[in-house]
Amino acid sequence: EADIYQTPRYLVIGTGKKITLECSQTMGHDKMYWYQQDPGMELHLIHYSYGVNSTEKGDLSSESTVSRIRTEHFPLTLESARPSHTSQYLCASSEFGGGLAGSPYNEQFFGPGTRLTVL
Amino acid sequence: DQQVKQNSPSLSVQEGRISILNCDYTNSMFDYFLWYKKYPAEGPTFLISISSIKDKNEDGRFTVFLNKSAKHLSLHIVPSQPGDSAVYFCAASDGSSNTGKLIFGQGTTLQVKP
Repeated sequence: EADIYQTPRYLVIGTGKKITLECSQTMGHDKMYWYQQDPGMELHLIHYSYGVNSTEKGDLSSESTVSRIRTEHFPLTLESARPSHTSQYLCASSEFGGGLAGSPYNEQFFGPGTRLTVL
Repeated sequence: DQQVKQNSPSLSVQEGRISILNCDYTNSMFDYFLWYKKYPAEGPTFLISISSIKDKNEDGRFTVFLNKSAKHLSLHIVPSQPGDSAVYFCAASDGSSNTGKLIFGQGTTLQVKP
């Protein structure tokens, strides 16, 4: 059973506000990820982290920032929200290597997502 | 340039019949493939995976087939149940990059009719 949590689940906010989307996992996973997804579209990776104090930009450019000062916590911040930021934000985590039969692969476990609407 | 494609946006199947969802990829470095299921307003849930050293992996009602030469994989659900109605995402990973990053397709919405 995957234990990864996101808050808030839904957020409606005005343009220009600063927001932080929370993501926490209790599985002790090293790798964590943030995706952005719009209806009918693929999930786009916007940030990822290999562990504490490690953060990298993903494949899709994003104005958001992330931090990883604790293994279990990977918050995403938007300094000034705009309508173009309206989307679903999904957080995921996975183990660092150690997959089946010693393979480097591991599935990612996802949180329930945050649906952000910027007016 | 989309590296993972699910060309069918939607699929409708009768309960009890087989559902076949397809996925194509372009990057020959991909060597691990996954299927996720997603309900509205929820995060994706891992279903089944396959590495490139295999051509088939089975888990209960779900079977994934991989055709490396065609760069194609498919998910078979037999028998289909109304609770299977959801969006299904195909994803791929390049193990040599050691990043664990997944590249997702656009998803296929499956509707299973009672």
